Amino acid sequence: DTAVSQTPKYLVTQMGNDKSIKCEQNLGHDTMYWYKQDSKKFLKIMFSYNNKELIINETVPNRFSPKSPDKAHLNLHINSLELGDSAVYFCASSRPSGPARATEAFFGQGTRLTVV
Amino acid sequence: AQKVTQAQTEISVVEKEDVTLDCVYETRDTTYYLFWYKQPPSGELVFLIRRNSFDEQNEISGRYSWNFQKSTSSFNFTITASQVVDSAVYFCALSEDRDDKIIFGKGTRLHILP
Repeated sequence: DTAVSQTPKYLVTQMGNDKSIKCEQNLGHDTMYWYKQDSKKFLKIMFSYNNKELIINETVPNRFSPKSPDKAHLNLHINSLELGDSAVYFCASSRPSGPARATEAFFGQGTRLTVV
Repeated sequence: AQKVTQAQTEISVVEKEDVTLDCVYETRDTTYYLFWYKQPPSGELVFLIRRNSFDEQNEISGRYSWNFQKSTSSFNFTITASQVVDSAVYFCALSEDRDDKIIFGKGTRLHILP
């Protein structure tokens, strides 16, 4: 049983298209994240949700819209895709922090998005 | 603001050598969490260890060991008797107790040469 699963694994699309990446976790965690990993392997947090509520939005362009229908799912929709959006997108989940309860984040296998 | 610095961009060692990956962090919180993750060539992110700020005990797991020193804000990772399968990008990360943001360093690419 995969703990954090995201689909699709690969996504190739043309500039200007709209696409979605889905993420589901079966760990019972309250917090879910989206991270972007660029070509230099730098991992940058984009969003985090706690129990379906947006907690962190790291100045991501509003073409990126996360949606959390329930606490086990956090999908990422991207409008008007640009070349610079090409990257690997990772979904993750963890138990929330404070007081002294934080756990590590478990990551999905990543979605390699290529915009052509 | 929280920050993680991994000064070593890339390291190459010959198999069976020991290697230490450095991690220096910055935080204003007194309660925080440090992590190491491994990203092998296959691309997945594999959790290795979590350390809480109030627990400065060093940890050993097989050939892996971690040295946490609050006095120098460092959380270094040593692989003893390295193997080719240890070749990967290793990330150090930090989370503060005030929020759920996990901030990653830029990673150290480790090459173990046969």
